[in-house]
Amino acid sequence: DGGITQSPKYLFRKEGQNVTLSCEQNLNHDAMYWYRQDPGQGLRLIYYSQIVNDFQKGDIAEGYSVSREKKESFPLTVTSAQKNPTAFYLCASSQGLVSTGELFFGEGSRLTVL
Amino acid sequence: GIQVEQSPPDLILQEGANSTLRCNFSDSVNNLQWFHQNPWGQLINLFYIPSGTKQNGRLSATTVATERYSLLYISSSQTTDSGVYFCAVEGAGGTSYGKLTFGQGTILTVHP
Repeated sequence: DGGITQSPKYLFRKEGQNVTLSCEQNLNHDAMYWYRQDPGQGLRLIYYSQIVNDFQKGDIAEGYSVSREKKESFPLTVTSAQKNPTAFYLCASSQGLVSTGELFFGEGSRLTVL
Repeated sequence: GIQVEQSPPDLILQEGANSTLRCNFSDSVNNLQWFHQNPWGQLINLFYIPSGTKQNGRLSATTVATERYSLLYISSSQTTDSGVYFCAVEGAGGTSYGKLTFGQGTILTVHP
């Protein structure tokens, strides 16, 4: 089945450690996105990529890094510089190069920093 | 960047009731989508509707781009409709291009 797979679903880390969240899609979509959701809030864009080897900062990129070495993969690293990393992280993809088109989401990764 | 406001923030219904959710946005848009987030956090795309009207079963949506709003109608609501409904837009120019900005959502609770 086509879709977006995020792993792990739940992750606990100590303060000061870097964490990498995986996102893989087999929809053959060009564009991929990372969003952060805090309790009771909407989604905020962290980074997005519309083509391999290229990505742009979203609204809250500080303390995060990404790579896009393959079309199907867009991992997110939450670095120790991120002041409040505990959140629900959602990866998404869409067909279009020049516009977001219809957006499809993975099931999310819930990160808790102790 | 573009601003997105959703109303009401919370809505409680009895099963079988109808409801209307509203999304206002501050600028011209290329793209507008409605999503449903279930209690487990999964987001499902309901409509891709930058303008006009679409229907899918008990749900329908209308976007009036010239007046900068969109409406999501839920008829004969069921308990499985509970969750959070998000509106997301892509602004037509500047820094909003190529990415979706989300509203704060409407929390819908449907009681049996």
